Amino acid sequence: KQEVTQIPAALSVPEGENLVLNCSFTDSAIYNLQWFRQDPGKGLTSLLLIQSSQREQTSGRLNASLDKSSGRSTLYIAASQPGDSATYLCAVRVFGNEKLTFGTGTRLTIIP
Amino acid sequence: EAQVTQNPRYLITVTGKKLTVTCSQNMNHEYMSWYRQDPGLGLRQIYYSMNVEVTDKGDVPEGYKVSRKEKRNFPLILESPSPNQTSLYFCASKRTTGELFFGEGSRLTVL
Repeated sequence: KQEVTQIPAALSVPEGENLVLNCSFTDSAIYNLQWFRQDPGKGLTSLLLIQSSQREQTSGRLNASLDKSSGRSTLYIAASQPGDSATYLCAVRVFGNEKLTFGTGTRLTIIP
Repeated sequence: EAQVTQNPRYLITVTGKKLTVTCSQNMNHEYMSWYRQDPGLGLRQIYYSMNVEVTDKGDVPEGYKVSRKEKRNFPLILESPSPNQTSLYFCASKRTTGELFFGEGSRLTVL
């Protein structure tokens, strides 16, 4: 059974710093991995989707990497801003299965 | 505007009183799914649908029903709600690329 872990559960960093969020998964036979952000009281917004054949994806100040062999993905946020404050979740889909397994998220606070 | 719409957004009900949470998407996506989000447990998949008239169980289907009679709608039915179904519910649809789009959520309290 796929398990997805995100550590730390919460992170505070000063504005302007670069930061890395972590996502670990136990079953390396993944089909894809997706990063989301969730603002309080809101739904999830898709940030980046990495297919199994890819090593990384970039969108603006965000870069997500995927290392299947080690069961890890990272989300790199450059030049953080207060508007980046949110909970970030990763979700993994394995081959042959439509189910998504989510991590419990990292709550990020950017301090002005 | 491309969106997934859920209703109601907030609902307080009593044990055993049947309720339906509606979900509609305007992106012509074939895949739709329901999740519940609970503190410390993250999001867990309840049911999903690959296309019209095709549904399948997720990780926590007990106590829920779904139907997919048309592509845009995927309602979640609680025939006899219980307090352990108090949760935040999300509906989502998916592009063929795999990218998920979520609704704003429906906060359900069962007394």
